[in-house]
Amino acid sequence: DTAVSQTPKYLVTQMGNDKSIKCEQNLGHDTMYWYKQDSKKFLKIMFSYNNKELIINETVPNRFSPKSPDKAHLNLHINSLELGDSAVYFCAVQDRSSYNSPLHFGNGTRLTVT
Amino acid sequence: DAKTTQPNSMESNEEEPVHLPCNHSTISGTDYIHWYRQLPSQGPEYVIHGLTSNVNNRMASLAIAEDRKSSTLILHRATLRDAAVYYCILRDWAQGGSEKLVFGKGTKLTVNP
Repeated sequence: DTAVSQTPKYLVTQMGNDKSIKCEQNLGHDTMYWYKQDSKKFLKIMFSYNNKELIINETVPNRFSPKSPDKAHLNLHINSLELGDSAVYFCAVQDRSSYNSPLHFGNGTRLTVT
Repeated sequence: DAKTTQPNSMESNEEEPVHLPCNHSTISGTDYIHWYRQLPSQGPEYVIHGLTSNVNNRMASLAIAEDRKSSTLILHRATLRDAAVYYCILRDWAQGGSEKLVFGKGTKLTVNP
């Protein structure tokens, strides 16, 4: 079983569309993250949820909305997609109850907006 | 955000040791030094972390300078599978006391057969 799984792996869509990326974890960890890796390979944090509560919200356009239906899932919904949204999006999970615990990343969703 | 500086790229030969340097001259007393790596087409993977003392695990060793302003990740015998981008990261606490890892550009390691 993959500890952190993301679907879909690839997503190609047109500008203006609305799309969702899903993340599921089977580690039972309490904190989940979304990171964005752009074409220059910089990894930047977008959001973080701890026990379904939003705790980090970086400067991200309102078109991006994370949703955590339960502790095992953190989905990312993007409205009105723009060309600049093309990137690889990574979900990560962490056990915050354990000090300095590592982040476990999924293998990413490559979003291409045309 | 506390900053780290790493070489853009390094090359190594298979089965030889690799020393990946990282400078973090503005590190604070409670910052931990974390290392992650990202293999091609995969998400980042935790490698090791430390505070003051040198650390060893099954993947690598971490040597931390006495003044903590620099550290070195050591891969004892590089394999082709170790070819990746290696990130040196200082822990950064965001609002709400949540941990936020800030990734820099990292070092792209090429391993030659």
